[in-house]
Amino acid sequence: DAGVIQSPRHEVTEMGQEVTLRCKPISGHDYLFWYRQTMMRGLELLIYFNNNVPIDDSGMPEDRFSAKMPNASFSTLKIQPSEPRDSAVYFCASSLGGTSGDYEQYFGPGTRLTVT
Amino acid sequence: LAKTTQPISMDSYEGQEVNITCSHNNIATNDYITWYQQFPSQGPRFIIQGYKTKVTNEVASLFIPADRKSSTLSLPRVSLSDTAVYYCLVGAGSGYSTLTFGKGTMLLVSP
Repeated sequence: DAGVIQSPRHEVTEMGQEVTLRCKPISGHDYLFWYRQTMMRGLELLIYFNNNVPIDDSGMPEDRFSAKMPNASFSTLKIQPSEPRDSAVYFCASSLGGTSGDYEQYFGPGTRLTVT
Repeated sequence: LAKTTQPISMDSYEGQEVNITCSHNNIATNDYITWYQQFPSQGPRFIIQGYKTKVTNEVASLFIPADRKSSTLSLPRVSLSDTAVYYCLVGAGSGYSTLTFGKGTMLLVSP
C-alpha cells in the first residue's frame, strides 16, 4: 500500500485566496483525520470522519475552514478565504478504527501551506 | 481530556538505552497510552500502544505502572536515526477526540 497520500506537498498562496488540500487514505481504513501543526500550537486535531461522516469538528478554527469526505478514498480540507495565520503543515491520517483498542493512526507526508 | 506531561528535551549517545517518562495523572479507565515518533518534515509515526503493565515490540517497550498515572517509553540501544520528537498520547477509549498530541520530547542522539 502506498500509505496516506496528500496533495499538494507545498502550497504558497496570497491572503484571501481559496486553498484546497487533498487526501487519499489507506484503503480499508474507516477513519480519516485532519491535523494542523505549527511551532506555537503543536499538532492539533481539526476534524475526523468515520465511514465518510464527520464525527468531531470542534477543532476547526473557524468558518473559513471546511472539510468533506465524498467517498471512502478521498477527502478535502478547504480554507476560504486564507489568512497568513493559516500558514502551517497540514497532515491527513487514517486508521482502521478503535476495535480491540487499536487506535494506530497512519499519517501522510503533510502539506506545507504558506499564506502571504 | 487527559493531559500529559513529558520532558521538553533529552540527550543521549549512540548505543545507550533511553527512557522517556510521561505523566498522565487524570487518565480515564478506558484510556489507552500511545506513543508516536516524528522526524522533521514528516508525519508522526506510531511506535507502541498499551493499556497496563508492559508492552514490547520490535522497536520499543512501554512500561505502565499499576496506577497508570505515568508511562515510560524505553528505546534500547539508540542510534543517530532515533533523533526525533516523541509524543505521548492518552485517550481514545471514548473516541479519537480525546487523543491529544502535546508538545512532545525532542530526543537528540549524539555519536
